[in-house]
Amino acid sequence: AQTVTQSQPEMSVQEAETVTLSCTYDTSESNYYLFWYKQPPSRQMILVIRQEAYKQQNATENRFSVNFQKAAKSFSLKISDSQLGDTAMYFCAFMDSNYQLIWGAGTKLIIKP
Amino acid sequence: DVKVTQSSRYLVKRTGEKVFLECVQDMDHENMFWYRQDPGLGLRLIYFSYDVKMKEKGDIPEGYSVSREKKERFSLILESASTNQTSMYLCASSSAGRGNTIYFGEGSWLTVV
Repeated sequence: AQTVTQSQPEMSVQEAETVTLSCTYDTSESNYYLFWYKQPPSRQMILVIRQEAYKQQNATENRFSVNFQKAAKSFSLKISDSQLGDTAMYFCAFMDSNYQLIWGAGTKLIIKP
Repeated sequence: DVKVTQSSRYLVKRTGEKVFLECVQDMDHENMFWYRQDPGLGLRLIYFSYDVKMKEKGDIPEGYSVSREKKERFSLILESASTNQTSMYLCASSSAGRGNTIYFGEGSWLTVV
């Protein structure tokens, strides 16, 4: 069975620091999609960043970037210059060939002023 | 902006009651989803629909049913609510095709007493 593991249930950092959230997954497929979603305290989940497995280049969206290690099945999210508004639950997700999303349990990130 | 609207943010229902959770999206998306979110478990797929009147079971369909009579509307039905169905329910939608962004509603907190 395909699984997604987020090993950090909770993290906290000071504002302006850089933080990295870890995600590992298990699959035998070679072509798939990986996502990071953010769920702020208001509860609406939004997409942070997406990576296609066949693309070597790591995806980047402004202060958010990923470190995609396909062989290691690792997909970590780096947030640079963290802001108070980054406080949220962060979910890593994997989309398989059947278009099904498999979700990690989430990491609660707290940015302290 | 894509909008996924869930009709009720907070509900309290009694054991055995029939519960309807309504969801409407305004982007003409083909795919619609119902997830259940519980702490430490991430998101678990209850049902999804890829077209009007079409539905597919997700990981935890037991105790739930769905209805999609119109493209923009996807309803989740708890035929006889039980206390173990107390949870946050998230509706989502996406356009057809693999890897597309999934857009979420704000969620419905259901408490069954």
